[in-house]
Amino acid sequence: AQSVTQPDIHITVSEGASLELRCNYSYGATPYLFWYVQSPGQGLQLLLKYFSGDTLVQGIKGFEAEFKRSQSSFNLRKPSVHWSDAAEYFCAVGLMDSSYKLIFGSGTRLLVRP
Amino acid sequence: DAGVIQSPRHEVTEMGQEVTLRCKPISGHDYLFWYRQTMMRGLELLIYFNNNVPIDDSGMPEDRFSAKMPNASFSTLKIQPSEPRDSAVYFCASRTPGQGYTFGSGTRLTVV
Repeated sequence: AQSVTQPDIHITVSEGASLELRCNYSYGATPYLFWYVQSPGQGLQLLLKYFSGDTLVQGIKGFEAEFKRSQSSFNLRKPSVHWSDAAEYFCAVGLMDSSYKLIFGSGTRLLVRP
Repeated sequence: DAGVIQSPRHEVTEMGQEVTLRCKPISGHDYLFWYRQTMMRGLELLIYFNNNVPIDDSGMPEDRFSAKMPNASFSTLKIQPSEPRDSAVYFCASRTPGQGYTFGSGTRLTVV
């Protein structure tokens, strides 16, 4: 069965420090891959997506993610975190069968120390 | 396009009452999804439609839940009767070919 694992429930970083959020997936083919961010009480905002091609994907707000097929991973990175980045981050897999379902990980809550 | 529009943003209702959540997807979409978000279970897919036709409702928790999509511009998720354990945030999302998925702002449902 398809699944998405975000092994870190919480991560705390200092403002200005670099960030990496981990995401691993289980799927029989190369899926579409997404990262979403959710601020408290808000909806899901798309940060970036990978469909094909260059495995390093640039997104909004200075985020990037790298698809590694051999590791079934799609980790999210940011070189310098801002206090406004504090939120919950969700990795998702888009199935490439006829359903196009999005399967979400359990999320990682990012806390930013001043 | 104004994006995916959900209404109401917040709904508080008493146990046993009928609740209807509404969604207006992005024009040009081909798939529409309903998700539920809770602390315990995260984001769960409830049901999805392809070209207004329900394809898979295996995620709908009980017969109390039903969803319709009478046309390409409108979908509803109904809970009848509602129970406190239905309290959650319900999201609607539409998929547009070549562009991916867009989520609405969600409806926060509280059943007391």
